[in-house]
Amino acid sequence: QITLKESGPTLVKPTQTLTLTCSFSGFSLSSPAEGVGWIRQPPAKAPEWLAFMYSDGNDYASPYLKNRITVAKDTSRNQVVLTLANMDPGDTATYYCAHGRGWLLDIWSQGTTVTVSS
Amino acid sequence: EIVLTQSPGTLSVSPGERVTLSCRASHIVGNNYLGWYHQTPGQAPRLLVFNGNNKDSGIPDRFRGGGSGTDFTLTISGLEPEDSGIYYCSQYALAPWTFGQGTKVEIK
Repeated sequence: QITLKESGPTLVKPTQTLTLTCSFSGFSLSSPAEGVGWIRQPPAKAPEWLAFMYSDGNDYASPYLKNRITVAKDTSRNQVVLTLANMDPGDTATYYCAHGRGWLLDIWSQGTTVTVSS
Repeated sequence: EIVLTQSPGTLSVSPGERVTLSCRASHIVGNNYLGWYHQTPGQAPRLLVFNGNNKDSGIPDRFRGGGSGTDFTLTISGLEPEDSGIYYCSQYALAPWTFGQGTKVEIK
């Protein structure tokens, strides 16, 4: 059974860096065709894809956030870490991580709400 | 980037009815890598259909995905009260992955 859970701050100040950790079980990023994606959803809006870490070591990031976003994996701990620099109130959203079955985001975490406010 | 446009924006239907949701892509979605998700308030999106027309595990038979290329549909037959919520299509054929703006289904 695949499960994912994100952890990190729920409140950050403008200009700060957000660091979220996705801890997962039921699969390994050392296995082929597995991945972890990050998605966010502002209040009352559609989901927005942020980044994807694939088991082949390649990672992909939204071109709209490319200068601000990094993803890193810790295969031994079954974790993927998302960092988003220079946070702005427009980054307020629920942040999800999701299992990648190949490129498909099939199982999502419960989500964590991050508010950007001074 | 592949832009996905969903229609209609909102549907109000009675239990037992059949509805068809549309998702139109700005470019061909390679390999029909198009999925449909259902989201209820306070919950994460749940995958219903992948690769255009494959139901995910545990998804009831009343959900059916169709289409190819740039035009995709999700048909729900015999609507149940728990089918209310927002339905999103999403493509994973080309980075950046993208989502449609959603179709809200209300059960009368």
